[in-house]
Amino acid sequence: GAVVSQHPSWVICKSGTSVKIECRSLDFQATTMFWYRQFPKQSLMLMATSNEGSKATYEQGVEKDKFLINHASLTLSTLTVTSAHPEDSSFYICSADRTSGGPQETQYFGPGTRLLVL
Amino acid sequence: GQNIDQPTEMTATEGAIVQINCTYQTSGFNGLFWYQQHAGEAPTFLSYNVLDGLEEKGRFSSFLSRSKGYSYLLLKELQMKDSASYLCAVGTTSYNTDKLIFGTGTRLQVFP
Repeated sequence: GAVVSQHPSWVICKSGTSVKIECRSLDFQATTMFWYRQFPKQSLMLMATSNEGSKATYEQGVEKDKFLINHASLTLSTLTVTSAHPEDSSFYICSADRTSGGPQETQYFGPGTRLLVL
Repeated sequence: GQNIDQPTEMTATEGAIVQINCTYQTSGFNGLFWYQQHAGEAPTFLSYNVLDGLEEKGRFSSFLSRSKGYSYLLLKELQMKDSASYLCAVGTTSYNTDKLIFGTGTRLQVFP
């Protein structure tokens, strides 16, 4: 099956610092990756769509300059939370799109990164 | 706009059957997905419906009515390990990209 990894799995940082989260598709190439945020007891909220070799597409209300996305290769996308604040503390999950001729189960999710900003 | 609603919480007894409903109003529709998510973990795929009707997969079944904007996930012979959140998601296309819009999620607790 398709495997997606995230690193780190959890991170604690001081307010004002930047944090980079990596999302890798280990056994397939992903032209498109997605970044989600999930607050406690809430559902996944799509933050942005990351496209290899081009700019990311952000959802309404998500600050582009705060959540920097880079999709430099077909197996790696990174999300950088710049100048993190306590309200950015959340569970960040990525998924990679493995289009195989149909939409069924084409998004494979990473294990998530828990961010705590003190 | 996009609107996908599910009950927030449900409880059931081990061995019973539970039905989790999902209603949606979205600007596009490429299919209806159900995911299971245990606390602190990533969602795992359960089912996909794009045509009206029932799809059965072992203990889990999923139903779709596109005209009513309605789906349900049916879990039979409940087990303790089925305690988790169940997320309904609608596939849509925006800027030539297929993406998922998730519902509010339903936390299911199974009691012995």
